[in-house]
Amino acid sequence: DAGVIQSPRHEVTEMGQEVTLRCKPISGHDYLFWYRQTMMRGLELLIYFNNNVPIDDSGMPEDRFSAKMPNASFSTLKIQPSEPRDSAVYFCASSFRSDTQYFGPGTRLTVL
Amino acid sequence: TQLLEQSPQFLSIQEGENLTVYCNSSSVFSSLQWYRQEPGEGPVLLVTVVTGGEVKKLKRLTFQFGDARKDSSLHITAAQPGDTGLYLCAGEGGNTPLVFGKGTRLSVIA
Repeated sequence: DAGVIQSPRHEVTEMGQEVTLRCKPISGHDYLFWYRQTMMRGLELLIYFNNNVPIDDSGMPEDRFSAKMPNASFSTLKIQPSEPRDSAVYFCASSFRSDTQYFGPGTRLTVL
Repeated sequence: TQLLEQSPQFLSIQEGENLTVYCNSSSVFSSLQWYRQEPGEGPVLLVTVVTGGEVKKLKRLTFQFGDARKDSSLHITAAQPGDTGLYLCAGEGGNTPLVFGKGTRLSVIA
């Protein structure tokens, strides 16, 4: 079975550019989570969806961050404009009925 | 805000040694999960503990949930190089989503 799929795996961009991260959750899962991981702050929840509806976006750091889930099989996390302090590994995870979360391999973002 | 403190932050040991890592909080959690994360990958769930005082074993790994459901420990017996990774604990409290600790980075040297 395919797990959570994220793309791209690595992204290097310059400050001020728009960045879009993509996630395909496991089929049949009704929860989707976006996390950010850094050495300093660990794994932080940014936003999560239930049945494609955003439930809690209190972890989104600034208005520069936005996330959408247009259907059950696709979600995006967009940063516009990007800043060097946004450099981190971004994970998408999905679960069924808020049970065990399955994480994707992550997108390593570097903003120069 | 519920916080989980993990200790030690880093641990480097020789193959065959035993070790214990800790996950502590001032908050009560309805359940607590342990994950292992290897370089370049996402965290993978190892175990979930739900009942205060519960002990679960997974081969050489022993997980314990504190009686008050505020803390947990992970004990590894006879560590192997394959145990190397970042160990994360995560607490679930009612309607709130998982809260993760910053992790213990374990290195087992052959």
